[in-house]
Amino acid sequence: KQEVTQIPAALSVPEGENLVLNCSFTDSAIYNLQWFRQDPGKGLTSLLLIQSSQREQTSGRLNASLDKSSGRSTLYIAASQPGDSATYLCAVLWGSNYKLTFGKGTLLTVNP
Amino acid sequence: DGGITQSPKYLFRKEGQNVTLSCEQNLNHDAMYWYRQDPGQGLRLIYYSQIVNDFQKGDIAEGYSVSREKKESFPLTVTSAQKNPTAFYLCASHSLGGYTGELFFGEGSRLTVL
Repeated sequence: KQEVTQIPAALSVPEGENLVLNCSFTDSAIYNLQWFRQDPGKGLTSLLLIQSSQREQTSGRLNASLDKSSGRSTLYIAASQPGDSATYLCAVLWGSNYKLTFGKGTLLTVNP
Repeated sequence: DGGITQSPKYLFRKEGQNVTLSCEQNLNHDAMYWYRQDPGQGLRLIYYSQIVNDFQKGDIAEGYSVSREKKESFPLTVTSAQKNPTAFYLCASHSLGGYTGELFFGEGSRLTVL
């Protein structure tokens, strides 16, 4: 079964801390993996996309890595800020059927 | 500007009524998806489609139906058979063939059953 799991479900950190969010997936035959951010009551904002052939992508203070063999991706946030507080979602596009599966997300709170 | 338009943004329905949520995109995307979001549940896939006149069930298709008669349109009908339809519904799309990956989302439709 094609499943995506995100750990932890919630995370609270002080401002300025570096942090890592985890995403694991059950089928290594992926097309790509994407990280999103969702603010309360809002839609989704795309953060980073990693193609199947890539190992990592970077945008500003964000870095996402992909290890297909172990079925894992991490989102690294450097020097966290209160404005980073949101739910972070991982989505996998499976290569065999183009089904797009989301994890349940990690609720991040960055305290001033 | 290109994008995905979902309508209505808010919808109220009485029990026993079918309702249809609209999703239109002008991005020339091949693949379209419908998700349901409940608190603490993330996004759960209802239906998806990669080409016109073809679609596949997602993980929670019971009580829902879709059609894909045009490339740009993928309406979702929430039928009276759906036991707990109150939720936030999101439509998404992306291109296939030369796909760079970006998934586009509509702003969502919030359905409340009274």
